[in-house]
Amino acid sequence: QQQVRQSPQSLTVWEGETAILNCSYEDSTFNYFPWYQQFPGEGPALLISIRSVSDKKEDGRFTIFFNKREKKLSLHITDSQPGDSATYFCAASAMGTGGYKVVFGSGTRLLVSP
Amino acid sequence: EAAVTQSPRNKVAVTGGKVTLSCNQTNNHNNMYWYRQDTGHGLRLIHYSYGAGSTEKGDIPDGYKASRPSQENFSLILELATPSQTSVYFCASGARQDTQYFGPGTRLLVL
Repeated sequence: QQQVRQSPQSLTVWEGETAILNCSYEDSTFNYFPWYQQFPGEGPALLISIRSVSDKKEDGRFTIFFNKREKKLSLHITDSQPGDSATYFCAASAMGTGGYKVVFGSGTRLLVSP
Repeated sequence: EAAVTQSPRNKVAVTGGKVTLSCNQTNNHNNMYWYRQDTGHGLRLIHYSYGAGSTEKGDIPDGYKASRPSQENFSLILELATPSQTSVYFCASGARQDTQYFGPGTRLLVL
């Protein structure tokens, strides 16, 4: 059972366009949603995150929109740059027995063409 | 800056052999994690630990063991490696819910 789903699997945009990456989840106890960015040959690194009490989080060109009722969120990358080409993972976290449980989606591979 | 290192970075093993993947973190984080990454599956949790001496099963623990001898070190052990365990393995550490710091990964090929 895949608890966190991402779409599309891959996305190509032109430099300067806005890339939109989607994520949905099933478990209503999830209350923290980090997005990780991964470049080839490297480990993922935290990019931006949001808690379920908020519906929007901005950090420069990166914005998360969160819809708790629909259990959906999206990452918007405005003015996309070739350096943004990477794989983006949506994750969901909740407190479980003994500690926090984190579930990752399968990722969206973004290519920004110059 | 968080620092998580993994060794080896690349490993070729034979079916039935024993493989040990090592992870070291210098952040004094209580929590450490082992994931495998495969195309189409994202990151899947194998084992994790809340501190020295503790290990917990993640979502896909079969065929793997873990060891946390100290705050800094967390190992993943494949007692009898199989070709299905060919993957990229990531170690991560974290102190809170909000951030996990990942190592550079170990690429394992089981022939």
